[in-house]
Amino acid sequence: DGGITQSPKYLFRKEGQNVTLSCEQNLNHDAMYWYRQDPGQGLRLIYYSQIVNDFQKGDIAEGYSVSREKKESFPLTVTSAQKNPTAFYLCASSTTGFSGNTIYFGEGSWLTVV
Amino acid sequence: EDQVTQSPEALRLQEGESSSLNCSYTVSGLRGLFWYRQDPGKGPEFLFTLYSAGEEKEKERLKATLTKKESFLHITAPKPEDSATYLCAVQPYTGANSKLTFGKGITLSVRP
Repeated sequence: DGGITQSPKYLFRKEGQNVTLSCEQNLNHDAMYWYRQDPGQGLRLIYYSQIVNDFQKGDIAEGYSVSREKKESFPLTVTSAQKNPTAFYLCASSTTGFSGNTIYFGEGSWLTVV
Repeated sequence: EDQVTQSPEALRLQEGESSSLNCSYTVSGLRGLFWYRQDPGKGPEFLFTLYSAGEEKEKERLKATLTKKESFLHITAPKPEDSATYLCAVQPYTGANSKLTFGKGITLSVRP
């Protein structure tokens, strides 16, 4: 089945630790995204990538890092510099081009600081 | 700056009681307006894309409409399984793959 797979579903981070969230897609999409969702707030864009080996900061990139070494994969690292990392993280992908590009989402990963 | 405002924040309906969810937007040239459904603890599920004022799309009990300033998601004779959070997002005309701006969502509860 085609889709976006995020892992792990639940992750706990200790203070000062870096953690990495995995995202894999088999939709053959060029663009991939990471969003953060907090209660009562809309989805906020962390990073996005339109092509392998290239990515751009979104609206809330501080304290996060990404890589795009393969078309199918776009892992997100939450670093110790992110002061409030507890949130629901969503990976997404889409085609690219000048028509409306529907973004499809994975099932999400919950990150909790302990 | 692009903005999306959804109202009401929450809506409680009786089963079979039709209603509409509102998405007001300001954007520097609309490429597309998107509706998603999100169940608790899950990722958003794509419902519709609307591209131009006057466009309508339907799927089962849902119908999405678009004007130059807002979009409505009409729910006809809802069932309890329609309970979810509904998200609206806009994509502007600013490049080959411009970013979406999301509203905060509308939480719909349908009582049996």
